[in-house]
Amino acid sequence: AQSVAQPEDQVNVAEGNPLTVKCTYSVSGNPYLFWYVQYPNRGLQFLLKYITGDNLVKGSYGFEAEFNKSQTSFHLKKPSALVSDSALYFCAVVGSQGNLIFGKGTKLSVKP
Amino acid sequence: EAQVTQNPRYLITVTGKKLTVTCSQNMNHEYMSWYRQDPGLGLRQIYYSMNVEVTDKGDVPEGYKVSRKEKRNFPLILESPSPNQTSLYFCASSWAVSGANVLTFGAGSRLTVL
Repeated sequence: AQSVAQPEDQVNVAEGNPLTVKCTYSVSGNPYLFWYVQYPNRGLQFLLKYITGDNLVKGSYGFEAEFNKSQTSFHLKKPSALVSDSALYFCAVVGSQGNLIFGKGTKLSVKP
Repeated sequence: EAQVTQNPRYLITVTGKKLTVTCSQNMNHEYMSWYRQDPGLGLRQIYYSMNVEVTDKGDVPEGYKVSRKEKRNFPLILESPSPNQTSLYFCASSWAVSGANVLTFGAGSRLTVL
């Protein structure tokens, strides 16, 4: 079955520290992977995607994600967190019918 | 500005009273989709449309209808709303359904059914 798992409901980080939001996926074939962010009272916004090529993908707002095929993971990272990064983060994978399958979301809280 | 516009943004209604949530995009996108977001469940797809007059069920279509008579509009219809349809709804669009395309989301419509 195709699926995305975000094992942490919430991640708490101090401002200035590195952050990681975890994502693992299950899909046949080569995966197309995405991260979206949702700020309070807003729709989802695209952060970055992995289609093929370099396993380290750079995206908006200083975020990057590392694709690891052997571990079927696509963790989101940022070297130095900002309070303004506090939001809900969704990992997604493209299913066999071309539609996006979303994880349940991880709430990131960055404290000053 | 390229955007997906949903209306209304907030709505409180009663069981059984038909309602429509409108969605319009100005990017000439072929693909449009409706999702509902519930705590602990993430986003679940309700219906999608690959082009005008082409619609298909997503993962949770029960109790919903859609239509795609024009490329820019994709309304979500709740013929007889029930309390379990209380949720946050998002419309999204992209150039096509193929995997590499990025979805553009509307700001969301929070629906409460009493």
